[in-house]
Amino acid sequence: SQKIEQNSEALNIQEGKTATLTCNYTNYSPAYLQWYRQDPGRGPVFLLLIRENEKEKRKERLKVTFDTTLKQSLFHITASQPADSATYLCALDLRGNEKLTFGTGTRLTIIP
Amino acid sequence: DVKVTQSSRYLVKRTGEKVFLECVQDMDHENMFWYRQDPGLGLRLIYFSYDVKMKEKGDIPEGYSVSREKKERFSLILESASTNQTSMYLCASSIMGRINTEAFFGQGTRLTVV
Repeated sequence: SQKIEQNSEALNIQEGKTATLTCNYTNYSPAYLQWYRQDPGRGPVFLLLIRENEKEKRKERLKVTFDTTLKQSLFHITASQPADSATYLCALDLRGNEKLTFGTGTRLTIIP
Repeated sequence: DVKVTQSSRYLVKRTGEKVFLECVQDMDHENMFWYRQDPGLGLRLIYFSYDVKMKEKGDIPEGYSVSREKKERFSLILESASTNQTSMYLCASSIMGRINTEAFFGQGTRLTVV
């Protein structure tokens, strides 16, 4: 069956360091992949989208890579800050029908 | 500022009650979604609608139904609430026909069934 895995449930990173989160998927070749941020008790908020023909995408301190051979996306936050602490979700349109399927998320904590 | 609004942040209902969760978006989006979110399971799609009066089942539709009578409003109905439907419910919307469109989420409704 099709699956999206974010293989760290929780990640603690020292302030100022780079946080790297991983998203792996199986049995599909999506046209794009999205990353969302979710704060406790809130709905997810869109951060970045990367297409299958893009290797890397940047937005301020955020960087996303997409390796369609490995079926993996990496999400980096550089110069991390305590305000970056949140759960980060990756999402794919697994069936090509505009319905997003989400990974279970990685809870990131930036330690001052 | 674009918005998806869910009618309640918190709800407590009794087992067997019929429960309505309402969602309204002001972006004229065609697509609307209902997800539930549980610890360790992530967001799971319950139902999807791509037009007024059109709906498709998601991954976990059992025990739920939906209604979309107007483009901006998408309702989730728990026909007979059960304790295993205690969860965070999230509504989202997106533009149809753009394969790389983002989803906009509401703030969520935390439903407790006792």
